[in-house]
Amino acid sequence: DQQVKQNSPSLSVQEGRISILNCDYTNSMFDYFLWYKKYPAEGPTFLISISSIKDKNEDGRFTVFLNKSAKHLSLHIVPSQPGDSAVYFCAASAGGGATNKLIFGTGTLLAVQP
Amino acid sequence: NAGVMQNPRHLVRRRGQEARLRCSPMKGHSHVYWYRQLPEEGLKFMVYLQKENIIDESGMPKERFSAEFPKEGPSILRIQQVVRGDSAAYFCASSPETGVGPTDTQYFGPGTRLTVL
Repeated sequence: DQQVKQNSPSLSVQEGRISILNCDYTNSMFDYFLWYKKYPAEGPTFLISISSIKDKNEDGRFTVFLNKSAKHLSLHIVPSQPGDSAVYFCAASAGGGATNKLIFGTGTLLAVQP
Repeated sequence: NAGVMQNPRHLVRRRGQEARLRCSPMKGHSHVYWYRQLPEEGLKFMVYLQKENIIDESGMPKERFSAEFPKEGPSILRIQQVVRGDSAAYFCASSPETGVGPTDTQYFGPGTRLTVL
């Protein structure tokens, strides 16, 4: 049962344009969402997060949007740079309980073309 | 401030041997999580530990796998009698505390790539 889904395995974008990565979830108990970036042979690097009480969070070139009614979130990167090329994972947790485990999507490979 | 440390980075074992993976959390972090990434898949939660306590092991296989986080020293993920299906990247993450908010963010180590021959 895949509770967090990233339906696009890959995305190709021109340098300077906007990259939009999408993520859907099924568990209404999730209340905290994160995006991680991962290069080959390295661990995931935290990018940005959002609590379910918000619908938008911005940090520099990265903005995450949350649509709770649609159980959908997206990561916008603008402008995209070649160094952004990596696999992006969406993750969710049901915080406030005894555990803080993250449920990850399967990732989207972003390729930013110079 | 050093990040999450994992060693070894690469580990090769033959079927039936034991594998021990170590994780030192970031300074000031008392919560450790282990995740496994099989080829072509996302990361899957295995276990969540605090010092000397297992909080959530719902993602751990019932047999051959165990984890600990002693009062002193790193967290250890131990796999006994490894099989080829255990070949994967094992990632450790740490966080300062639980609850909703920025302090929940989990910071990941570089991973240990286990290959079972």
